[in-house]
Amino acid sequence: EAQVTQNPRYLITVTGKKLTVTCSQNMNHEYMSWYRQDPGLGLRQIYYSMNVEVTDKGDVPEGYKVSRKEKRNFPLILESPSPNQTSLYFCASSSRPGREQFFGPGTRLTVL
Amino acid sequence: QKEVEQDPGPLSVPEGAIVSLNCTYSNSAFQYFMWYRQYSRKGPELLMYTYSSGNKEDGRFTAQVDKSSKYISLFIRDSQPSDSATYLCAMSHTNAGGTSYGKLTFGQGTILTVHP
Repeated sequence: EAQVTQNPRYLITVTGKKLTVTCSQNMNHEYMSWYRQDPGLGLRQIYYSMNVEVTDKGDVPEGYKVSRKEKRNFPLILESPSPNQTSLYFCASSSRPGREQFFGPGTRLTVL
Repeated sequence: QKEVEQDPGPLSVPEGAIVSLNCTYSNSAFQYFMWYRQYSRKGPELLMYTYSSGNKEDGRFTAQVDKSSKYISLFIRDSQPSDSATYLCAMSHTNAGGTSYGKLTFGQGTILTVHP
């Protein structure tokens, strides 16, 4: 089954404790992206990657890091999480990035 | 001013009604226009995408783009309770060669409830 998987699905952590949210896709897509979704603000792009070792900032990259060492994986790293990073995070992949993107199930992160 | 503005709703309609969802945008470079549907506790899924001005139909759904007015709409005919979800418009633009930049800009989303 073609899918985008994210782990963990739910995470509660404390300020300053480094964490990684993994994202993996099995569709051989070159393009992958991370979004955060907050009430009243919709989906905002954090980072995206057009291919292995190629990443670029989206609209809200501050406080986040990404890496793309393999085509199928695109982890999101929060080096020192803060409460304002409490949000619902989605990973997406696509073969035609400006058009349809396939989203994962989401990761709900709470930073205390 | 946000690049993409979407009527936040929420919208509540009876089953069978025609629903109109709308977004306006300010960046004239946007060329691809999409509508995503998001059910509760799920990731968004693509409903429709269009490239040019005009209408595009897919079953009960019609996407409309008016580039001159920087306005897009999604119409749902004969709405069903299963259409209850959050609807998100999204847009992207390309470089001169037609390659997508890969950056999608979403509206805030409209929560739709269709009651039996």
